[in-house]
Amino acid sequence: EVQLVESGGGLVQPGGSLRLSCAASGFTFSSYSMNWVRQAPGKGLEWISYISSSGRTIYYADSVKGRFTISRDSAKNSLYMQMNRPRAEDTAVYYCARDGLGGWYMDYWGQGTLVTVSS
Amino acid sequence: QSALTQPASVSGSPGQSITISCTGTSSDVGGYNYVSWYQQYPGKAPKLMIYDVSNRPSGVSNRFSGSKSGNTASLTISGLQAEDEADYYCSSYTSSSTRIFGGGTKLTVL
Repeated sequence: EVQLVESGGGLVQPGGSLRLSCAASGFTFSSYSMNWVRQAPGKGLEWISYISSSGRTIYYADSVKGRFTISRDSAKNSLYMQMNRPRAEDTAVYYCARDGLGGWYMDYWGQGTLVTVSS
Repeated sequence: QSALTQPASVSGSPGQSITISCTGTSSDVGGYNYVSWYQQYPGKAPKLMIYDVSNRPSGVSNRFSGSKSGNTASLTISGLQAEDEADYYCSSYTSSSTRIFGGGTKLTVL
């Protein structure tokens, strides 16, 4: 069974830093590209980042470019998001999501982890 | 890049059919057959319902179907059931190799 479990969320001060993790199991992690998607309270979904299966190709939404860094460790079957200089508008539930094999759609999602940016 | 345009809400009675539209541009919806649809219940993670415009993942009811014409994609739910009441989001691959979501549509089953 495919499982994605996010962790690392919590309260962070504006301008601080936080690292989110996503532990993957039930599939060959190194074969799949991955994404981070967030959802602000009461708002819609916002895609924020993609990393290819090899880790060599990475994309970001303009809203996080230059502040957030996506990475992966296939030895640990884990996906990460390093959040630097967060702003109040980064407050959201952060989901990790797997891309379908060879596809541009997200076929499995984690349960999400809440990040609150506030002083 | 602005979100894809979806109606904020749609409603229908049990047994009826409803359609949710998703309008983008030639740089996303119109340029690629990579539109997907997600169902989300309150407080839960999204679930993939349709991928590559019209394909259903294993386990998704055949009451759900997708299509596309030009820059507008559509999700149709036939034989509406109470359990279909949820938020629905479209998403597309873009010419910048990023993804974009629609603003979401709240489906109410009357």
